Amino acid sequence: EAQVTQNPRYLITVTGKKLTVTCSQNMNHEYMSWYRQDPGLGLRQIYYSMNVEVTDKGDVPEGYKVSRKEKRNFPLILESPSPNQTSLYFCASSFAQGPNEKLFFGSGTQLSVL
Amino acid sequence: GDSVTQMEGPVTLSEEAFLTINCTYTATGYPSLFWYVQYPGEGLQLLLKATKADDKGSNKGFEATYRKETTSFHLEKGSVQVSDSAVYFCALKRSNYQLIWGAGTKLIIKP
Repeated sequence: EAQVTQNPRYLITVTGKKLTVTCSQNMNHEYMSWYRQDPGLGLRQIYYSMNVEVTDKGDVPEGYKVSRKEKRNFPLILESPSPNQTSLYFCASSFAQGPNEKLFFGSGTQLSVL
Repeated sequence: GDSVTQMEGPVTLSEEAFLTINCTYTATGYPSLFWYVQYPGEGLQLLLKATKADDKGSNKGFEATYRKETTSFHLEKGSVQVSDSAVYFCALKRSNYQLIWGAGTKLIIKP
């Protein structure tokens, strides 16, 4: 089954404790992206990747890191989480990045930073 | 800069009512426009899209027409069902192909 898999679904952590949210897709997609969803703000892009070893900042990259060593995986790293990073996070992918490409989303990761 | 504005929710309707969710945008050029839907506990999924002025996107009884003159892409459905309860997001694609999202509109359909 074609899917984007994120783990974990729920995560509670404390300020400053490094964490990684994993994202994997089995559709051989070139493009992958991370979003955070906050009430009243919709989705805001954190980072995206056009292909292996190619990553770029989105609209809200501060406090986050990503890597794209393999085509299928695009982990999101929070080196020193802070409470303002409490949010619902989504990973998404598509075949390429063009004007009409459809994004496929993971089920989300609810992160709480205490 | 580019932006998308959606009507605030929640929108509460009775089953079989007519639905309109307003979406307007600000952008340079002629972006592609999208509606995505998020069912409870799930990720977003594409509902419909339109790539140029006067295009009508449609899917599952939902429709939206790309109106360049009013910079709008309102979502409509003639007769909603309880299963349509979800959060609906309007989005546009910028010239660098990254998406700009509206804040989302929660739709609640009562039986």
